[in-house]
Amino acid sequence: GAVVSQHPSRVICKSGTSVKIECRSLDFQATTMFWYRQFPKKSLMLMATSNEGSKATYEQGVEKDKFLINHASLTLSTLTVTSAHPEDSSFYICSARGAGWTYEQYFGPGTRLTVT
Amino acid sequence: DQQVKQNSPSLSVQEGRISILNCDYTNSMFDYFLWYKKYPAEGPTFLISISSIKDKNEDGRFTVFLNKSAKHLSLHIVPSQPGDSAVYFCAASLGGGGAQKLVFGQGTRLTINP
Repeated sequence: GAVVSQHPSRVICKSGTSVKIECRSLDFQATTMFWYRQFPKKSLMLMATSNEGSKATYEQGVEKDKFLINHASLTLSTLTVTSAHPEDSSFYICSARGAGWTYEQYFGPGTRLTVT
Repeated sequence: DQQVKQNSPSLSVQEGRISILNCDYTNSMFDYFLWYKKYPAEGPTFLISISSIKDKNEDGRFTVFLNKSAKHLSLHIVPSQPGDSAVYFCAASLGGGGAQKLVFGQGTRLTINP
């Protein structure tokens, strides 16, 4: 159990365009979803936390107008990178936590974004 | 400010021997610690965890030790197997309820040599 999927697994887009990444909890209801970014050979950096039905909470230094997060249902959260630039190229990973869970987070497989 | 640190970027261990991965933290408010294993181009998978009120948790070949006074935890894998080769992340939990979040260390790449 506790499977999280992400789509797409890999995406290439042109500079100035927007790209949407989906994160789905397949066998549980995710009351909270998290979006992380990982730079090469670096740690996972938390970008934002979203609770179903409410606005996302962004970490310091993360532009909320640049990285739009929507958590409209208990099984789906989306991250939209708007007006993407080459420096947005990265590995984006989501995780999800179910109702009543205290500490556990289950991670998706990640999305490799390349902006040309 | 790196609140969770894994000072060894890499570790090489012979198959069958013990692997010890270390993690240090600075924030005494962390109340739960987790270890994740990660393969390239994949998301992290949960391995083992420990509450701050305990000093040891064991699950099969994996044991996590917590030394609160030293703000240090370690993951022991014994015996090490080739399939254990991966990047291991230490994570610490902060906050509660809907505000709970994980802070990750930089990761340690473990290579098990046959």
